[in-house]
Amino acid sequence: DTAVSQTPKYLVTQMGNDKSIKCEQNLGHDTMYWYKQDSKKFLKIMFSYNNKELIINETVPNRFSPKSPDKAHLNLHINSLELGDSAVYFCASSQGRGSQNQPQHFGDGTRLSIL
Amino acid sequence: DQQVKQNSPSLSVQEGRISILNCDYTNSMFDYFLWYKKYPAEGPTFLISISSIKDKNEDGRFTVFLNKSAKHLSLHIVPSQPGDSAVYFCAGNTNAGKSTFGDGTTLTVKP
Repeated sequence: DTAVSQTPKYLVTQMGNDKSIKCEQNLGHDTMYWYKQDSKKFLKIMFSYNNKELIINETVPNRFSPKSPDKAHLNLHINSLELGDSAVYFCASSQGRGSQNQPQHFGDGTRLSIL
Repeated sequence: DQQVKQNSPSLSVQEGRISILNCDYTNSMFDYFLWYKKYPAEGPTFLISISSIKDKNEDGRFTVFLNKSAKHLSLHIVPSQPGDSAVYFCAGNTNAGKSTFGDGTTLTVKP
């Protein structure tokens, strides 16, 4: 009965490849997010979707493309992977349209390593 | 521009004592502040929050204090327990639904 689940947990791949990370939430939340945690441990917002609508799109290379087939899923596609993409990627969800006082529920992260 | 800063990368306290984790921010548009706790190989989990119009919120062993004029908040854990050992993140939320996280403080509670 995992609330926010992301797959895969680990992803090791070569530079230049294209990969996807999937995220699903069963909490009935309206808003989903992707975060990147780099080696400095900062959790940086990348994207946010509310009911399949993109509402936050930070300065992220256009090699990264989120896709939300429905409000329970938010996938992240990364094209032409680079060494600097190595990080832990976290998916999260929250109630409402990213309401200020609503906590986010996080998945356990996907550890992406680029060789 | 780092809008949320946690200047202490780590903190070590003895079991039973108080743990105080600090957080400073620069963005006056934050409406809510939240604290999250993170264990290794897991995602952050929500701990406690405070509205920007309050100065204190308490939940069991956890209390968050907000000093808006100083743009500073702190999380107090009393008494600290070994199970509290984790990385703690503070985050500021705007009414646009965006959360900005600090870079975390690793708390170690020694038995």
